Amino acid sequence: TQLLEQSPQFLSIQEGENLTVYCNSSSVFSSLQWYRQEPGEGPVLLVTVVTGGEVKKLKRLTFQFGDARKDSSLHITAAQPGDTGLYLCAGEGGSSNTGKLIFGQGTTLQVKP
Amino acid sequence: NAGVTQTPKFRILKIGQSMTLQCAQDMNHNYMYWYRQDPGMGLKLIYYSVGAGITDKGEVPNGYNVSRSTTEDFPLRLELAAPSQTSVYFCASSPPGLRYNEQFFGPGTRLTVL
Repeated sequence: TQLLEQSPQFLSIQEGENLTVYCNSSSVFSSLQWYRQEPGEGPVLLVTVVTGGEVKKLKRLTFQFGDARKDSSLHITAAQPGDTGLYLCAGEGGSSNTGKLIFGQGTTLQVKP
Repeated sequence: NAGVTQTPKFRILKIGQSMTLQCAQDMNHNYMYWYRQDPGMGLKLIYYSVGAGITDKGEVPNGYNVSRSTTEDFPLRLELAAPSQTSVYFCASSPPGLRYNEQFFGPGTRLTVL
C-alpha cells in the first residue's frame, strides 16, 4: 500500500516568515501533485512535478520532487495571510492510467498578519 | 462552465437512512472520483469511474455504491447510513489522455449521521 506522510501537520507563523512542508513516502510515484484547499471548498491544484530532481516555482512557492521520486517539498517565501489554508500532496503511481491519487493527510497553514 | 457541482451542500441523516449525493461535471471529462475527507486524514478514494458504464472500488468502498450512466453524472449512494460515514464528501473529475491527471474538485457535501 502506497502512503504519503506530510509534515508538519499544523504550522502557525507570522506574515513574512518562510516555511517548508514535506511529503514523504517509501514508494516511488510517477508524478506528485500539490493542492491547496480553503475552508468549505474543494482542493485546487497548484502544481504537478514529474521528473526526479525537478524544481518548479509559482511566484513565492517553490516545489521540489526528490531525485528518487519518493518525496517532495513545498517552500513558501515571505508568507502572507492569503497563503492560509490546507496544503495536500498527492501521488500518482501504478501502471494503469486511471488517474487515481494517493493523498497525504495535509498540512494546515495559518499565517498571522 | 460550472465545472464540478455537488448537491446537497449539507445534510443530516439518521442512522439507517439512505441518500444519494449528486455530482455533475460539464467539462466532458471521462474520469470521475468520489472521496471522503475526515479531519486530519486527507482524502480517501471511495469509488472511481473511467467512463460511462465503468466503475471500480477505491480504498474505502464499504457502505457506498455508485453508478455512471452518463459522462456528466456520477451519483454516490449511501445505504443504511452509519455514524462512521459522517464526513465531507468530494467529487472530482479529470480529462483522459493526459499523462499526469489534474483533478478538478467540487465544493463538497458535508454529511452528518446521528
